[in-house]
Amino acid sequence: SQTIHQWPATLVQPVGSPLSLECTVEGTSNPNLYWYRQAAGRGLQLLFYSVGIGQISSEVPQNLSASRPQDRQFILSSKKLLLSDSGFYLCAWIKRGSSGANVLTFGAGSRLTVL
Amino acid sequence: LAKTTQPISMDSYEGQEVNITCSHNNIATNDYITWYQQFPSQGPRFIIQGYKTKVTNEVASLFIPADRKSSTLSLPRVSLSDTAVYYCLVGSLYSSASKIIFGSGTRLSIRP
Repeated sequence: SQTIHQWPATLVQPVGSPLSLECTVEGTSNPNLYWYRQAAGRGLQLLFYSVGIGQISSEVPQNLSASRPQDRQFILSSKKLLLSDSGFYLCAWIKRGSSGANVLTFGAGSRLTVL
Repeated sequence: LAKTTQPISMDSYEGQEVNITCSHNNIATNDYITWYQQFPSQGPRFIIQGYKTKVTNEVASLFIPADRKSSTLSLPRVSLSDTAVYYCLVGSLYSSASKIIFGSGTRLSIRP
């Protein structure tokens, strides 16, 4: 079956510390992968997306970066966290739906609190 | 993806039918309409998808008029557990899509 995993589920980091969030997809190959961030009470902000290994498109230039070292692995990183980086980070991939059109499927999310 | 417009919030009561309308005037020929539901501290989850006329599944119905410039998500007999944010996305998702941006969504509150 096709599943998506994110970790860690929650983390609390001090300002200026590094960050690494990992996302992996199972049961498919060459998926389109996405990182979104949701601040408290706000909508979903697209951060990065990738259509293949080593191919990263950035939507919000800031102190975050993304990498795709393997086909089904997507990593979100930061060298120095800011208070404004706090939020709920969601990884997603495109899965073909029953109607034939693709459906965006999300992981469980990683909640980051920067203190 | 085509730009969409939804009401920011809606309120209803348990047992009522709720209809959320999404406007997408610039929908393209190959675009599908997909609705997602998001609960707090969870990622959005797929509810329903359609291209034209009416689609129904165990959770909701989706009504799409002939001009396809709008769509209506219908939730029959809502309960408190239907309180969530609902997003409408329009795009050609058959192809290997790239950028997918969510709108503000509609925050639905169900009262006892």
